[in-house]
Amino acid sequence: DSGVTQTPKHLITATGQRVTLRCSPRSGDLSVYWYQQSLDQGLQFLIQYYNGEERAKGNILERFSAQQFPDLHSELNLSSLELGDSALYFCASSVTINSYNEQFFGPGTRLTVL
Amino acid sequence: GQQLNQSPQSMFIQEGEDVSMNCTSSSIFNTWLWYKQDPGEGPVLLIALYKAGELTSNGRLTAQFGITRKDSFLNISASIPSDVGIYFCAGQAQGGSQGNLIFGKGTKLSVKP
Repeated sequence: DSGVTQTPKHLITATGQRVTLRCSPRSGDLSVYWYQQSLDQGLQFLIQYYNGEERAKGNILERFSAQQFPDLHSELNLSSLELGDSALYFCASSVTINSYNEQFFGPGTRLTVL
Repeated sequence: GQQLNQSPQSMFIQEGEDVSMNCTSSSIFNTWLWYKQDPGEGPVLLIALYKAGELTSNGRLTAQFGITRKDSFLNISASIPSDVGIYFCAGQAQGGSQGNLIFGKGTKLSVKP
């Protein structure tokens, strides 16, 4: 158990819909990272938040957004969903702002878009 | 975007055999991390490397940060059935944005008892 929690574990929805994925980092970790894992693309970094502020952006679509709240939990919002958005979404956390510090991954949310 | 070349893509080995996998990049990396992912789970950190030439062990696992800072390898000695899973290398490129870890596509390891 990494100490990072994610809900829900599974999510099935239809194209065009909007969903919210939730992540709670390890106790004491200020950085939260979101990743998308699909079969053909591997693990792709989406976005990082540190202590409530956006710090780095990766391959995140404009239809996707995230935020980190004062209690440090984070939410990833996916809207206007397409079939291709079906994937595993992982949240990771680390102590500092920098990925020099190891990132600890949650168990993931499996999103299926029908 | 930038990617790491991880090889081999998959390995089928007999229990007790040693395993070696590696990652290469066209650019210099400041950090190399090795993760293992079991089916339905998130990646779990195995070893972290921070200096060129660094050689670090974690039980039967040994990883090295290449001298050129463009590669890393992971060795598993005397493999056992629970070593089955997908192994990912990851790193932070020099000059890359903080927090942006780049991942290899993984090496899928199968172990025959």
